[in-house]
Amino acid sequence: QSVLTQPPSVSGAPGQRVTISCAGSSSNIGAGYDVHWYQQLPGTAPKLLIYGNINRPSGVPDRFSGSKSGTSVSLAITGLQAEDEADYYCQSYDSRLTGWVFGGGTKLTVL
Amino acid sequence: EVQLLESGGGLVQPGGSLRLSCAASGFTFSSYAMSWVRQAPGEGLAWVSSISSSGGSTYYADSVKGRFTSSRDNSKNTLYLQMNSLRAEDTAVYYCAKTPTIAILVGNWFDSWGQGTLVTVSS
Repeated sequence: QSVLTQPPSVSGAPGQRVTISCAGSSSNIGAGYDVHWYQQLPGTAPKLLIYGNINRPSGVPDRFSGSKSGTSVSLAITGLQAEDEADYYCQSYDSRLTGWVFGGGTKLTVL
Repeated sequence: EVQLLESGGGLVQPGGSLRLSCAASGFTFSSYAMSWVRQAPGEGLAWVSSISSSGGSTYYADSVKGRFTSSRDNSKNTLYLQMNSLRAEDTAVYYCAKTPTIAILVGNWFDSWGQGTLVTVSS
């Protein structure tokens, strides 16, 4: 069981908007540690999508956005495209475990 | 362009040892902390270890502490993971990943990843 909790799957039609939540606890997200997001396309290595809760690395389309409000963190993808079909992971730091932790991953299906 | 190329994976018996390597190029290797992250078959990502840019500081997940050792040779732009006393549950693809800072910071993320190398622990 992962320290950070994500929904196992989400889906949406092309052009729609989907959000993926990432829930933590007082030793990670609730403690104020930043959250980062990764996209893993089938059969490939993860790729950084969002860092520091809301920042996009260069080259990541602005269709991807991150938000954090209190202990609520989410990734939003607008204008869904078939190429967005992938697994998405959130990541943060946990002070109780004294290490970096990931969510269990969310599989995005584009209908 | 940042490139990370892992090698050294393979099949090993329980209790055995293996050393993974990660050859880095396209950036000043000695200026960045590095990490190892693994992914068991069909499972999610799990942080394994991080090492500061100089190699002077290392951190490990509880699941590998005392069995795995991270090191680096900045003259060869190479990161290593020595894995001893391997268990079936260590079976995974091991990724090396670059972090964006010199030191290991709690807010760190992994901004570049290698393609991974598969380690299979089985008799």
